[in-house]
Amino acid sequence: DIQLTQSPSSLSASVGDRVTITCRASQGINHYLAWYQQKLGKAPKLLIYAASTLQSGVPSRFSGSGSGTDFTLTISSLQPEDVATYYCQKYNSAPRTFGQGTKVEIK
Amino acid sequence: EVQLVESGGGLVRPGGSLRLSCAASGFAFSSYTMNWVRQAPGKGLEWVSSISMSSSFTYYADSVKGRLTISRDNAKNSLYLQINTLRAEDTAVYYCARDSRQSGSYFELDYWGQGTLVTVSS
Repeated sequence: DIQLTQSPSSLSASVGDRVTITCRASQGINHYLAWYQQKLGKAPKLLIYAASTLQSGVPSRFSGSGSGTDFTLTISSLQPEDVATYYCQKYNSAPRTFGQGTKVEIK
Repeated sequence: EVQLVESGGGLVRPGGSLRLSCAASGFAFSSYTMNWVRQAPGKGLEWVSSISMSSSFTYYADSVKGRLTISRDNAKNSLYLQINTLRAEDTAVYYCARDSRQSGSYFELDYWGQGTLVTVSS
């Protein structure tokens, strides 16, 4: 099965900082990667799909890139409401594995 | 408005069984692949199972294969997860989630329920 490895596992940044989270697949998955945001006590929310397509209603400070095995989620200017854990997920085939998550905090 | 509402969670003894339900509304339920994703306390998301539109295809994570059965009733707009021989490691919030598009292919998950907590303890 294909594994997804996210890095870092956690980060702390200041408001306004540019934040980058990476997700590496153990085998190529083309562009079949999604990013989700999960705030404490809430269900996950879809941010990005097809590696780089912004879900409707998601602020434009979020962006995604990559293809094959290496992907990134970027928050161009971190806001207090972005405090959350972020997960990548592959969906080219079953199992639709998630990465282990990256916890983002405000410094 | 798309809504997914899970129910059926609770405290169960090890070795017991439980059937979770997810009531869907606000969209053409029978046209979408549906999924279960779980999250153990303080842990990450774990995809558990998917079922195709007409129940022709079902998929399971290796960690649950043989003990969990996903099913759906399109007439009742409902998704189910039968969990047998419950173990402590099955303790988690169980979410149902919808594929984003109507098709037989795989898609991202665009709508999620609020989750139902299953606790396995003696």
